[in-house]
Amino acid sequence: TQLLEQSPQFLSIQEGENLTVYCNSSSVFSSLQWYRQEPGEGPVLLVTVVTGGEVKKLKRLTFQFGDARKDSSLHITAAQPGDTGLYLCAGASGGSNYKLTFGKGTLLTVNP
Amino acid sequence: AAGVIQSPRHLIKEKRETATLKCYPIPRHDTVYWYQQGPGQDPQFLISFYEKMQSDKGSIPDRFSAQQFSDYHSELNMSSLELGDSALYFCASSSRTSGKGNTQYFGPGTRLTVL
Repeated sequence: TQLLEQSPQFLSIQEGENLTVYCNSSSVFSSLQWYRQEPGEGPVLLVTVVTGGEVKKLKRLTFQFGDARKDSSLHITAAQPGDTGLYLCAGASGGSNYKLTFGKGTLLTVNP
Repeated sequence: AAGVIQSPRHLIKEKRETATLKCYPIPRHDTVYWYQQGPGQDPQFLISFYEKMQSDKGSIPDRFSAQQFSDYHSELNMSSLELGDSALYFCASSSRTSGKGNTQYFGPGTRLTVL
């Protein structure tokens, strides 16, 4: 069974600060996705990374996939209150199997 | 852009009743996935379909069944409901044919409450 360890579980910061969320596994994933989820709503896709060492930027968010495709990170620069939410990483094992294994999530609170 | 549609959004059932959840994938997406998310938990994979055939199976109880129809919509049928089945049920879709099978887009979910 593939597991994704996501840390930290909770993060409370002030507006303007930077933060990094980590997603680690002992297993190799063919791709990894980051989602943001609001209470009672479906996860909204932020990014998909598929190549080891890949870095993708989405405005103030930077996503990185580890060289060995076992870990990933999400870095937010100059966080804003609108960034508040639950961030989930999810990995696909590959082949003909696209089911996602999710991390436990990071609940981010950005205080004004 | 069109998104994944799920219905109903909310459903309340009694124990031992049955429930049917529906999912309409993004147009031209050929793969549908079902996930269950309990309170405070991360989504858990239940089952998936590609081109109307079951593709993969996760921790789906034998009381649950699902299928994908010719128009690619999918239905999750749940029988003999138990209190522990209360959860958010998400459908996601992707397009394997276009080479983006690993990018899943989620619907808004169906909140099932079993009393």
